[in-house]
Amino acid sequence: QVQLVQSGVEVKKPGTSVKVSCKASGYTFSSYGISWVRQAPGQGLEWMGWISAYNGNTNYAQKFQGRVTLTTDTSTSTAYMELRSLRSDDTAVYYCAREVPNDGMDVWGQGTTVTVSS
Amino acid sequence: SYELTQPPSVSVSPGQTASITCSGDKLGDKYACWYQQKPGRSPVLVIYQDNKRPSGIPERFSGSNSGNTATLTISGTQAMDEADYYCQAWDSSTERFGGGTKLTVL
Repeated sequence: QVQLVQSGVEVKKPGTSVKVSCKASGYTFSSYGISWVRQAPGQGLEWMGWISAYNGNTNYAQKFQGRVTLTTDTSTSTAYMELRSLRSDDTAVYYCAREVPNDGMDVWGQGTTVTVSS
Repeated sequence: SYELTQPPSVSVSPGQTASITCSGDKLGDKYACWYQQKPGRSPVLVIYQDNKRPSGIPERFSGSNSGNTATLTISGTQAMDEADYYCQAWDSSTERFGGGTKLTVL
């Protein structure tokens, strides 16, 4: 079955970086893109960026420009999201989702909890 | 920056029709999607391209989009439909989510 499986819980210190992985299975990885969305505790969904698994093209939310990097490894069908210079307000659940622009995010990972605390 | 506005909460009685709106400048010129999220779970796509239902989504979920407003309609609302709902659209190569609407079935 089509699924996205994300890496596990992360606890980080302020100022450090985190890299979350998202492994795809059950479909042709390069035929879709991957969006990353986060949700702070008790808050709504926030889009961070999108990457094409076909050619690596990226679109980033302005808020995260320069602080986030999205990459893919087609040999392992895995997408990665790296967020740098972590702050306490980056504490959130981070999701990856399969997406073709304008077709919606039709498959979601289980979420990765990232806690930033000194 | 482009913004999508949703009512924070909507209430509906079981069996009745629930309507959740999403407003944005010329939203009707873009494609709108809707997601359902239950507590502690990942979101689920329920409507894409304004009015299309993914496989497995019940027919009671429908959508429309015109002018500045997209609407998610749930006909014959069931207790299991109680959840947070988010609209989403692309604008200038970036995606936006609405703030979310908590649907209460009572």
